[in-house]
Amino acid sequence: EADIYQTPRYLVIGTGKKITLECSQTMGHDKMYWYQQDPGMELHLIHYSYGVNSTEKGDLSSESTVSRIRTEHFPLTLESARPSHTSQYLCASSELGLGTEAFFGQGTRLTVV
Amino acid sequence: EDQVTQSPEALRLQEGESSSLNCSYTVSGLRGLFWYRQDPGKGPEFLFTLYSAGEEKEKERLKATLTKKESFLHITAPKPEDSATYLCAVMFSGGYNKLIFGAGTRLAVHP
Repeated sequence: EADIYQTPRYLVIGTGKKITLECSQTMGHDKMYWYQQDPGMELHLIHYSYGVNSTEKGDLSSESTVSRIRTEHFPLTLESARPSHTSQYLCASSELGLGTEAFFGQGTRLTVV
Repeated sequence: EDQVTQSPEALRLQEGESSSLNCSYTVSGLRGLFWYRQDPGKGPEFLFTLYSAGEEKEKERLKATLTKKESFLHITAPKPEDSATYLCAVMFSGGYNKLIFGAGTRLAVHP
C-alpha cells in the first residue's frame, strides 16, 4: 500500500543533541515537503524539494537542514537541538504537476528539554 | 501579500445542525485550493481539490465550493465523528508550487 511514513512518532531529547527526523514515501512522488506545526496553530513550510538533489527553504526560517539523495527519502536534521525547536514536524509528498494534492505522514512530535 | 484566511476559528455545532466553514484567499494565479481534515496529534488527511470558480466536490456529509475569492466547506447534518480541525490550503503560480495553509477551523460536534 502506497503511503508516507515518519519516524519516530515521538522524540524527547536533550539540548545540544543532533537529531534526524526520517520521512519516506512509497508513492514515487517527486515533490516532498516539511512543515512545522505548534499545537493549535497553522502549518508553516520550512523545506521543500522538487526531486533528487533539489532542496529549497520554505517561508518559515528554520535552523534545520534537509537532503534528497533518493526520491523516496527526505530526512530533516537539527545539528544542535534547542527548546525552541519543540514542535510537531509533518512531512508530505505530492506529484510534480501544478495543483496536485499533498499527502501527509502522521508527524513527529519533538520535545527538547 | 499572498494570504489564506479561514473563519471562524472555532465552531461548535449540535449533531444534525448544518453549517459552513469559510476560506478566503488573496493569491494570484490560483493553481488549486485544497481542503484537509486534521485530527489531534495526526497529520492532515486530504479531502478535496478545487481548481476553478464554480467547481463543487462532495464526499459524504461534506461539500466544497469555490469562487474567485473564497471557498466554503458545507457540512450537512454533522455527526460527532466529524469533529476535527479543517484546513484550507492553496497552491498558486507565483508561489513556486508551494502549498500554503490557513490557520484552520476547529469544529466540535456535540450529540
